[in-house]
Amino acid sequence: GESVGLHLPTLSVQEGDNSIINCAYSNSASDYFIWYKQESGKGPQFIIDIRSNMDKRQGQRVTVLLNKTVKHLSLQIAATQPGDSAVYFCAEKITSGTYKYIFGTGTRLKVLA
Amino acid sequence: ETGVTQSPTHLIKTRGQQVTLRCSSQSGHNTVSWYQQALGQGPQFIFQYYREEENGRGNFPPRFSGLQFPNYSSELNVNALELDDSALYLCASSLGGQTQWEQYFGPGTRLTVT
Repeated sequence: GESVGLHLPTLSVQEGDNSIINCAYSNSASDYFIWYKQESGKGPQFIIDIRSNMDKRQGQRVTVLLNKTVKHLSLQIAATQPGDSAVYFCAEKITSGTYKYIFGTGTRLKVLA
Repeated sequence: ETGVTQSPTHLIKTRGQQVTLRCSSQSGHNTVSWYQQALGQGPQFIFQYYREEENGRGNFPPRFSGLQFPNYSSELNVNALELDDSALYLCASSLGGQTQWEQYFGPGTRLTVT
């Protein structure tokens, strides 16, 4: 399969620890944010989303935090597992008449046994 | 429920040729977006179709064009292929409208331009 994220920043965490992946977004007009997980040879997989009128949202083992003041988004993964190893992308949706989606450059998460 | 499917899986074309990539959206979804993902980079938004009309476009030249059909499947057409068009092309579908923005991606089509 193809390689995703050959030269991306890498976060290495021990299995069972919590992971925090950060993302800075660019546009004040962004009204919706999403985190995706991408494994080699596959399309991005939706993890969790958050609208701009919220600052925190929780899912199963994942939490997304949004700080609009500093245009910062983070993904927290609790009790990281080997299956969490992948490249993680944040994405923002901009609504200005029409729609536009902007993805971040990605972070590779490596889970150490 | 059927997920997003794309065809073909892999494709090799020569510079200057034209290519058509196809996407079938997830059952019940009326919105399709197309992305280009170069190796080692994040997906770049090409455009989005909602109920057969383009309602969003990224910074791609007009030689990138698309269609959405009444069954909400979609095509991405690229004319006058350039070497830099070599990438993974991803299709994503969503329910659309004002509140349903969650996108589901297909596995992608790997295009190689020689």
